[in-house]
Amino acid sequence: NAGVTQTPKFRVLKTGQSMTLLCAQDMNHEYMYWYRQDPGMGLRLIHYSVGEGTTAKGEVPDGYNVSRLKKQNFLLGLESAAPSQTSVYFCASHYLGRELETQYFGPGTRLLVL
Amino acid sequence: RKEVEQDPGPFNVPEGATVAFNCTYSNSASQSFFWYRQDCRKEPKLLMSVYSSGNEDGRFTAQLNRASQYISLLIRDSKLSDSATYLCVVGRDNFNKFYFGSGTKLNVKP
Repeated sequence: NAGVTQTPKFRVLKTGQSMTLLCAQDMNHEYMYWYRQDPGMGLRLIHYSVGEGTTAKGEVPDGYNVSRLKKQNFLLGLESAAPSQTSVYFCASHYLGRELETQYFGPGTRLLVL
Repeated sequence: RKEVEQDPGPFNVPEGATVAFNCTYSNSASQSFFWYRQDCRKEPKLLMSVYSSGNEDGRFTAQLNRASQYISLLIRDSKLSDSATYLCVVGRDNFNKFYFGSGTKLNVKP
């Protein structure tokens, strides 16, 4: 099993450009999450999904959109990138119903917005 | 107020030392508790879940105090390989959401 994978690993954008980050998991997990990590801030939840076709807002959703058309994929979109979105983005998945089971993370995507 | 608060450190300790980290959480409805380890520029990885009765995994011991809303992690006989950032994590809302502390950095020196 590959676990959780993320594409791309690194990207540089100019302000106003758009892009999509792809997260894929092969563990048949119901729950998937997108976080951003900034220095001194810890991981903050952007959006999450409790199953195929569903999404919900997290702590810092502004400027991002998501889609979960297939159970194994969770896409994070930036429609018009801003320098404040420079961050490391982590995707995670979680198995529904096992409350002491926790999240499995992808390796991260480093995004620089100029 | 942050959901989860940790001392950022760094904690600089010699090999073989015992070191303890604490973490406090603000929401009494929190349902699950974890310690994660994160190496520089890598993804977080689960170190251990924290159970109400406390639990131990080798050199690592985790405790939960629901009344005071804090979680602790004790590392005995520190190794150089323990150098990392330790993240305190709490889950709630029927396990839909997880809240992360900003991490405590540990440096174990020879």
